[in-house]
Amino acid sequence: GENVEQHPSTLSVQEGDSAVIKCTYSDSASNYFPWYKQELGKRPQLIIDIRSNVGEKKDQRIAVTLNKTAKHFSLHITETQPEDSAVYFCAARYSGGGADGLTFGKGTHLIIQP
Amino acid sequence: DTGVSQNPRHKITKRGQNVTFRCDPISEHNRLYWYRQTLGQGPEFLTYFQNEAQLEKSRLLSDRFSAERPKGSFSTLEIQRTEQGDSAMYLCASSLIGSTNEKLFFGSGTQLSVL
Repeated sequence: GENVEQHPSTLSVQEGDSAVIKCTYSDSASNYFPWYKQELGKRPQLIIDIRSNVGEKKDQRIAVTLNKTAKHFSLHITETQPEDSAVYFCAARYSGGGADGLTFGKGTHLIIQP
Repeated sequence: DTGVSQNPRHKITKRGQNVTFRCDPISEHNRLYWYRQTLGQGPEFLTYFQNEAQLEKSRLLSDRFSAERPKGSFSTLEIQRTEQGDSAMYLCASSLIGSTNEKLFFGSGTQLSVL
């Protein structure tokens, strides 16, 4: 099955600086890579996603890049704000062998320092 | 509210008791997923349905766990003879397969505490 590794586990940045979270996946058949933001006690919310036929996608201050050859993808947040503080999860969709659920990384706790 | 709804939000039970959770997906979504999340971890896939058919079960889903989606709408997840290790947040998600973006939308979860 799919295995997703995410790092760092904790990231502290100054407000206004950029934050980068990286993930690697194991199954080359995976073709869908979403990122979720989870605030304390709340549901995971999809913030951006990318498919394997695209190398980069942007949505305002958030961007995701995908390197299929290296099997890694990254989340970039620019001009960070206090409300960006949360746990961020990357995920990969395993398309082979019949399993169809997302496999998540262990999460990155992003702390925005004022 | 047209999002994914889960009930109850919290459940405290004694070891050995049975518990049942309910999930109401977004109405037009044909896929429904159950995940489990423990503190400091990402959600772990348990099982999913397409309409009323249960298509996949994770190895994490022991024989004490059973899920149903009898009419292809809401789903229930039952845990029999609960153990302390079952304590976790149980998340439900839904999606519309066949759309160009098969995005998963999560509910707020049911927090289970087994004493």
